[in-house]
Amino acid sequence: DAGITQSPRHKVTETGTPVTLRCHQTENHRYMYWYRQDPGHGLRLIHYSYGVKDTDKGEVSDGYSVSRSKTEDFLLTLESATSSQTSVYFCAVARGEYFNEQFFGPGTRLTVL
Amino acid sequence: AQSVTQLDSHVSVSEGTPVLLRCNYSSSYSPSLFWYVQHPNKGLQLLLKYTSAATLVKGINGFEAEFKKSETSFHLTKPSAHMSDAAEYFCVVKGSSNTGKLIFGQGTTLQVKP
Repeated sequence: DAGITQSPRHKVTETGTPVTLRCHQTENHRYMYWYRQDPGHGLRLIHYSYGVKDTDKGEVSDGYSVSRSKTEDFLLTLESATSSQTSVYFCAVARGEYFNEQFFGPGTRLTVL
Repeated sequence: AQSVTQLDSHVSVSEGTPVLLRCNYSSSYSPSLFWYVQHPNKGLQLLLKYTSAATLVKGINGFEAEFKKSETSFHLTKPSAHMSDAAEYFCVVKGSSNTGKLIFGQGTTLQVKP
């Protein structure tokens, strides 16, 4: 499992509230990713990080921000949650030659009412 | 730009019969391709990967996939399905940058009947 944990594992919140999801890894990987999984869409990249304080947008970044102040932690924040952000969120790390393998955390199921 | 298309959203087989999950890709250069599996309410697990070495790639749990450039395909196969193979399978292509970004297909749900 590449030493990845996500917290919380489940969360129910209301529209308009801020939400922060945490991804923690113990193997000092440089690259970290946040995806969301929705039926019929597979996984879609939200944001990724290539080092401490180095982040960039993915294909569905609107409404999300990220921060990485330490190698081991990658935070995903929904500034003002909307019902369209109800989803399962997965964190991943990349390793191997040319970062050719990604390993995923167990996921966080977020429901926005 | 890179993309993948999984040709079947749902595949149903009987236990002990062969499995074929189809994937076509689009890439402007030689791609890195992957298959991931997701069991119900679980995270994703890497089944196998192709990175321009042997075109027939063997993965875990008896799965394999063949890279066919002429057909732009990377189909996943297994000779004999087991009940534990019931899951969702994702065909994935690596994006064009060196950042490791992945592009996922829509997924194929494999049902295995006793």
